[in-house]
Amino acid sequence: GAVVSQHPSRVICKSGTSVKIECRSLDFQATTMFWYRQFPKQSLMLMATSNEGSKATYEQGVEKDKFLINHASLTLSTLTVTSAHPEDSSFYICSARQGADTQYFGPGTRLTVL
Amino acid sequence: GQNIDQPTEMTATEGAIVQINCTYQTSGFNGLFWYQQHAGEAPTFLSYNVLDGLEEKGRFSSFLSRSKGYSYLLLKELQMKDSASYLCAVSPFSGGYNKLIFGAGTRLAVHP
Repeated sequence: GAVVSQHPSRVICKSGTSVKIECRSLDFQATTMFWYRQFPKQSLMLMATSNEGSKATYEQGVEKDKFLINHASLTLSTLTVTSAHPEDSSFYICSARQGADTQYFGPGTRLTVL
Repeated sequence: GQNIDQPTEMTATEGAIVQINCTYQTSGFNGLFWYQQHAGEAPTFLSYNVLDGLEEKGRFSSFLSRSKGYSYLLLKELQMKDSASYLCAVSPFSGGYNKLIFGAGTRLAVHP
């Protein structure tokens, strides 16, 4: 299957700082990438859909000014958590769509805000 | 609204067969996915069904009935490494950006 990478895999930061997470499709071009958040023992919750060359589409309840998404190229999307707080601590996972439907997931980023 | 239901937990014995069910009610339907997720890791793609019937892929098979809004994932010859969460996800739209709606996941524990 297709390969998607994420960086960093784990980050610890102080409250009030910003954190950038990168998602890359390594062996295919992805016009659409997705960002999810997953709390312990819960399923994936879609945060936003990232479209190359245009603004991201955010799900209801997700603050676009807090979670900045940039999809600058067909292989890279970034999620920046601005002014992070402890409640933002979570597992953030990106996926990239190859072909019509199948999404392939990155390895995830574990964010801990102190 | 969108609703996807699957059992929270299941247990099974090594070497046995287990069936994980998923029912869905969505505004549209453009395919159903099964993913496997080990603790602390990202989901990995297992199967995709868009037409009715059974899709077999090695030890894993997935079935879909669109009229019943029902799918199952069948795991044969269970191994200890199959202990994981299994996520059912539906693509409710055709065209557009095809986002996925995930169920809460079924945690499967395989015992010796």
